[in-house]
Parts: sequence; structure tokens; C-alpha cells
Amino acid sequence: NAGVTQTPKFQVLKTGQSMTLQCAQDMNHNSMYWYRQDPGMGLRLIYYSASEGTTDKGEVPNGYNVSRLNKREFSLRLESAAPSQTSVYFCASSNLAGGPYEQFFGPGTRLTVL
Amino acid sequence: GNSVTQMEGPVTLSEEAFLTINCTYTATGYPSLFWYVQYPGEGLQLLLKATKADDKGSNKGFEATYRKETTSFHLEKGSVQVSDSAVYFCALSDGAGTASKLTFGTGTRLQVTL
Repeated sequence: NAGVTQTPKFQVLKTGQSMTLQCAQDMNHNSMYWYRQDPGMGLRLIYYSASEGTTDKGEVPNGYNVSRLNKREFSLRLESAAPSQTSVYFCASSNLAGGPYEQFFGPGTRLTVL
Repeated sequence: GNSVTQMEGPVTLSEEAFLTINCTYTATGYPSLFWYVQYPGEGLQLLLKATKADDKGSNKGFEATYRKETTSFHLEKGSVQVSDSAVYFCALSDGAGTASKLTFGTGTRLQVTL
């Protein structure tokens, strides 16, 4: 039982390049989330997916797109990377049946945009 | 909207000292409350949780009590160890709708020295 896995662990991009961050969970959770973590700002929600086939914007969605490929997988795409997107990205999942709605996190992807 | 306020860090303590990290929240309704811990280079792990007023969450010697009257969820440990050095995040979930989103505090870095 691997929990939540993310690939890649590290990535360096040049401004304007695109990339997709992959996330998968094997806990049969309905909901999945993408966060970014920046120094002094905690975690901020980018996008989330309440269930397979649905996605919604979080607090900071600009510059990102997501795809809920199936129940297990939720990807985050940067179409044209900018230095302001340099951050650590975390994927999380949650099973909403009955609460208390705790989320389980992956190990993160450290992205640098030059 | 929901918000979580944590004490500023870093907090530096000697081994075996008593730890308190303050957390207060603003939320509508009756949120669930969480403490997550992040060790260097890793993702967030759930440390403890509480789902209703006066509940006490506990794990690995850490405790926090859900105080609705003061809207607080302070983290405490009686005797810290060097291995407790990490960043601690307070979070709340309102459980609203079909996807429960977490609101995080900005995190408090704890450093424990010998």
C-alpha cells in the first residue's frame, strides 16, 4: 500500500516550458487535491477533484490545469511555466465517507522555473 | 471565510523541554481540526485530529484539545526530543459540500537541540 505517490520528485524548467505533475493514490479515495507550498505561506489549494469526473478551482488556480484521469490519478499541468510557479507541489487524497475529512499527502515535487 | 492563525516560528527548545504551539481558528459551523507535521524533505503527515468541542487528539506524546469557546487547538508535548524537529501545521476542515477542503496555518518550525 504505497498511499499517495507523485512524480517527478524534482524538476527544473525554463520560463515558457510546459510540464505535467503526476499523482496517484491506492486508497480508493474519492477526493484529490493539489497544493503549492511557499515559504511563510503554508499550503495553498490550487485545484481539487471531489470525485472522478469533477474538478474545481481552489485558492490559486491561475496558470494551472488539472485532469482527473480516473479514480486513482489526478494530474497538474503547467502550460507555460513562470518563475512565480517555483514552489513545492503536494498532492493529497481524502475519503469523505463520514468524516473527519483528513487528507493524506504525497512526498511532493520540487519545481524550479528559471 | 475560514482561517487559521499559528504562532510565528522558529521555536527553539532544548531536549526534554515543554512545547506549546498556539493555533486559533475562524470558521462557520463546526469544523474538524488537525495538526500535521512535515519532516525535512518530506510531505505532510497527520499528527492528530479532533472532530468536536472538548475532544482531545493525541499521538506520539503530542496532545491538542478542541476549545470552541476560545476557538483554539493548541499543540502540546511534555518533553520534546531532537527527532521532533519539524514544521507543524494547524488546519481545519469544514466538511462542507462534496469535497472537504483544508485551510492551513502558515506553519511553525520547531528545532530541538541537545
